[in-house]
Amino acid sequence: DVKVTQSSRYLVKRTGEKVFLECVQDMDHENMFWYRQDPGLGLRLIYFSYDVKMKEKGDIPEGYSVSREKKERFSLILESASTNQTSMYLCASSFRGQNRLGYTFGSGTRLTVV
Amino acid sequence: AQSVTQPDIHITVSEGASLELRCNYSYGATPYLFWYVQSPGQGLQLLLKYFSGDTLVQGIKGFEAEFKRSQSSFNLRKPSVHWSDAAEYFCAVGAREYGNKLVFGAGTILRVKS
Repeated sequence: DVKVTQSSRYLVKRTGEKVFLECVQDMDHENMFWYRQDPGLGLRLIYFSYDVKMKEKGDIPEGYSVSREKKERFSLILESASTNQTSMYLCASSFRGQNRLGYTFGSGTRLTVV
Repeated sequence: AQSVTQPDIHITVSEGASLELRCNYSYGATPYLFWYVQSPGQGLQLLLKYFSGDTLVQGIKGFEAEFKRSQSSFNLRKPSVHWSDAAEYFCAVGAREYGNKLVFGAGTILRVKS
């Protein structure tokens, strides 16, 4: 069964901490995405990557960075966590140029910053 | 730019009743259209997709959706709702011209009453 795996389901971090959210896919997808999901706001794209070491800003990149050193892994980094980054974070992947096939999503990481 | 509108934030239906969730998009040509479902605390699962051919598409869990170009709509339907269908539903739009990204609606929360 093909999968997108997010390393943590729940995380609690303190304000100012550096936070790493990890996502791994086993489908040989070129594209990987990080979204955050908040009630009433739907899914908002933070960053995406279409190849190793390549990244592009999404709609809300402020306060975040990403790393893609290997094709199967895409990491989201909160350089200095703040309470307004408390949210559900969703990772997704897809084949390049094949967005008609849609995305495959991970199960999400619910991050609470205290 | 493409956009997606889900006009209903919440919908409540009785178990066994029919369901229709609305989705309208803004895009000049024929887009790729998707419906995803998210159970509480989970990631998004693809229910169905449309990119060409028959405008009535069948998906998993007994869902179907109809693409109506004249109305720029892609409404999701189910003839008889089960309590396990309670979840949040997202419509999404993509297009070849927009490369790898999908745009998501804000979601509709479905409640099922017994």
